[in-house]
Parts: sequence; structure tokens; C-alpha cells
Amino acid sequence: QQPVQSPQAVILREGEDAVINCSSSKALYSVHWYRQKHGEAPVFLMILLKGGEQKGHEKISASFNEKKQQSSLYLTASQLSYSGTYFCGTIHTGTASKLTFGTGTRLQVTL
Amino acid sequence: DGGITQSPKYLFRKEGQNVTLSCEQNLNHDAMYWYRQDPGQGLRLIYYSQIVNDFQKGDIAEGYSVSREKKESFPLTVTSAQKNPTAFYLCASSTTGYNEQFFGPGTRLTVL
Repeated sequence: QQPVQSPQAVILREGEDAVINCSSSKALYSVHWYRQKHGEAPVFLMILLKGGEQKGHEKISASFNEKKQQSSLYLTASQLSYSGTYFCGTIHTGTASKLTFGTGTRLQVTL
Repeated sequence: DGGITQSPKYLFRKEGQNVTLSCEQNLNHDAMYWYRQDPGQGLRLIYYSQIVNDFQKGDIAEGYSVSREKKESFPLTVTSAQKNPTAFYLCASSTTGYNEQFFGPGTRLTVL
């Protein structure tokens, strides 16, 4: 059950804001967010856990709606370095910590 | 420096040959993972291991095999049974299965 991400792609001017969404059809234990630049390995951004705990970078903001099984990543005052593909990964309640990734959201920040 | 290493970075093989991709970590992590990434696609889990001498199939395990004889090593063998092995392969590790994953630089496998 791969999570669904939206939008698939977004283009921003530097300084603009963006929201990336991730939704699942099954109850979630946690949501992970990663960013991958072209040809490189994904880099961890944040984990949001059932119950409200969050772990991640200070400059990254995200939310987790347990009832709706959705998470959103908020990118504010975007910089050129924010460009890349953002993946959410989900661990479902009752599964053995298996992380399933979405197909990604491609973000491009321009001058 | 602690981290995850994968070798080689690029690998070319003839169709029908088995090939083994290396993954080593010195982060003292218990859990390790193998993912496959195709152009424009997300990461699909091949195998994962939460502890030495134990591993589980992921979503696309057919045609692949792994071993976890040492905590720091989790090699992946792409066998001739894998119908379309050309892809970018990423190895990752984490302290436990529920924590953030740290990724290696990846191996780009091309089967000719």
C-alpha cells in the first residue's frame, strides 16, 4: 500500500512557499520525509509519529493527521537548495517497521 | 567518519550473470535495507534486516538474495532470475526499524 503524494511536481520562485501532501489508505504508525537530489542518495528530513512526537531538522515543518492518515510537509521561504524530489515513507500500524515510500514530488526552485 | 559505503558506484554486467552489490556501515546500526529505484520512480524495498542472521522480503524480492552474517554488512545479489535488473540500488541503515534511515551513495547497475 504505497502512499500517495501530491502534487507530483511544483515549480517555485525563490522565497515562495509550498506544501507537499502524503496520504495513506491504512492506519499509520509514522510518516518519514526525505529529499533526494538528482543522482544522489535520499537525505532524512523528518519523522512524525503517532501521538504527536516529531524528530527532524529545525527548519523543516510538517504535520501528521492520524485520523485522516495524512501528512503534509511545509516548505517556507524556499531557497534554491530546496530543489529536489521529496519522498514520504509510511509505516503502518501493526506492520514490522517496514517503510513504504511514495512516488515522490519533484520540486524546482528558480530565481 | 561514520557512514554507509556502497561499491562499486557503477556496475556493468552481461545478461544472465549473477552480480553482488556491497553495502557496509560503521554506524553500529541494527537495521539495514536494500531499495531499488527506477528513473522517475520512488524507492521500492527489496529486502530488509532488523538484526544479524535475520532478514525479510520486501515488496520486490523476486530475483534477489541477501545475507546478514555481520552487523556491518548486508550484501545484495542480483540473480539471473531478475527479469529487468538495470536500476539504481540504494542501501540504508537505521538504529531500529522505526527510526530515520541513512542511505549510502548507491550503485547504478546496467545489464547489457
